[in-house]
Amino acid sequence: EVQLVESGGDLVQPGGSLRLSCAASGFTFSDHYMDWVRQAPGKGLEWVGRSRNKANSYTAEYAASVKGRFTISRDVSENSLYLQMNSLKTEDTAVYYCVRDLRFGETFYFDYWGQGTLVTVSS
Amino acid sequence: DIQLTQSPSFLSASVGDRVTITCRASQGISSYLAWYQQKPGKAPKLLIYAASTLQSGVPSRFSGSGSGTEFTLTISSLQPEDFATYYCQQLNSYPLDFGPGTKVDI
Repeated sequence: EVQLVESGGDLVQPGGSLRLSCAASGFTFSDHYMDWVRQAPGKGLEWVGRSRNKANSYTAEYAASVKGRFTISRDVSENSLYLQMNSLKTEDTAVYYCVRDLRFGETFYFDYWGQGTLVTVSS
Repeated sequence: DIQLTQSPSFLSASVGDRVTITCRASQGISSYLAWYQQKPGKAPKLLIYAASTLQSGVPSRFSGSGSGTEFTLTISSLQPEDFATYYCQQLNSYPLDFGPGTKVDI
């Protein structure tokens, strides 16, 4: 059974840093693209970034709103995905979801989602 | 960036109704579109990918169609558990943005 469990969400001051973790199980972690998606309170979904799979050297893509501040990484030995968030802004307040991708042809769709972890940026 | 719009943004319906939600892209995205369902306090759930492929385990009353710039999600006979917010998402190019959502309410 595929499971994604996020952790690390907290209250942090503007300008601060936080690292989110996503523990993955039930599938071969290195084979899959993984994404982070966030949802501000009462708002819609916003894609944050992507980590490609081992075959693509775990390279990453980011949304413009977080590029240069957020970094996605993996620890394959721990089957874990991370989101390092620096220079946090109040507008980064959101529930952050870890997502596994399903490959269909050359495109990757978001087939499994974690339960989310809440990040609150406030003074 | 590709912009997605959804219509309507809010839909009031009854059990048994046929419901159609439209998603429009600002430029052609072939069939690289997915639909998700989200209930309050829960993570989104993949319903449809590649515009018209039903995700495993999703009831057959859900269907998707379209290509290029216009797509539809149809629920053939609305069930009580279908009251939720529905999002489309384009996967043609980065950023992999979502539409603003359509809330289906009683």
